[in-house]
Amino acid sequence: GESVGLHLPTLSVQEGDNSIINCAYSNSASDYFIWYKQESGKGPQFIIDIRSNMDKRQGQRVTVLLNKTVKHLSLQIAATQPGDSAVYFCAEAISTGANSKLTFGKGITLSVRP
Amino acid sequence: NAGVMQNPRHLVRRRGQEARLRCSPMKGHSHVYWYRQLPEEGLKFMVYLQKENIIDESGMPKERFSAEFPKEGPSILRIQQVVRGDSAAYFCASSGTRTEAFFGQGTRLTVV
Repeated sequence: GESVGLHLPTLSVQEGDNSIINCAYSNSASDYFIWYKQESGKGPQFIIDIRSNMDKRQGQRVTVLLNKTVKHLSLQIAATQPGDSAVYFCAEAISTGANSKLTFGKGITLSVRP
Repeated sequence: NAGVMQNPRHLVRRRGQEARLRCSPMKGHSHVYWYRQLPEEGLKFMVYLQKENIIDESGMPKERFSAEFPKEGPSILRIQQVVRGDSAAYFCASSGTRTEAFFGQGTRLTVV
């Protein structure tokens, strides 16, 4: 069936470096994508989203890139900080009307070295 | 504006008992989603509800699990006759007129 997956289970980066977290999706009908951050013991926290009519969107220290040709999504975090350490999930959705359910990947752990 | 509220945060049940998990969506949100998360895994979709209606329950186990979102009050995820395999974190998310969904802090169910 269709699935959303992540290339790497863990990522370790030096504080201050840039982080790139990658995600592959297989449902070509998906037109909405979100990155969530989940800290230990907490619920997923919305980071940034992007729709399929865009290929790049920037937020505060984060950028999401969407490559529909190869069904690839990435999250870039600039100047990674210890507080960025968490599990990151990509999620995809097919917009039906105003709402749609999200399908999540397995998650990747980002560990920031001081 | 309070976020998505889930209670209880932690729930311990013996095998065979019932578990009731509650979710109050954000103010103004009429769409609720329930997800289950096993340790070291992603979030698995269970059910999507709007007020008084189940829109998509394709992720719900066929037996023992049910969900409702009444006109008044929180959404309830009910698990009857719990087994150890039901132990997990259960997250609720709500959304309004946009697709963006906000999550609660989850209920961690432990079946002993």
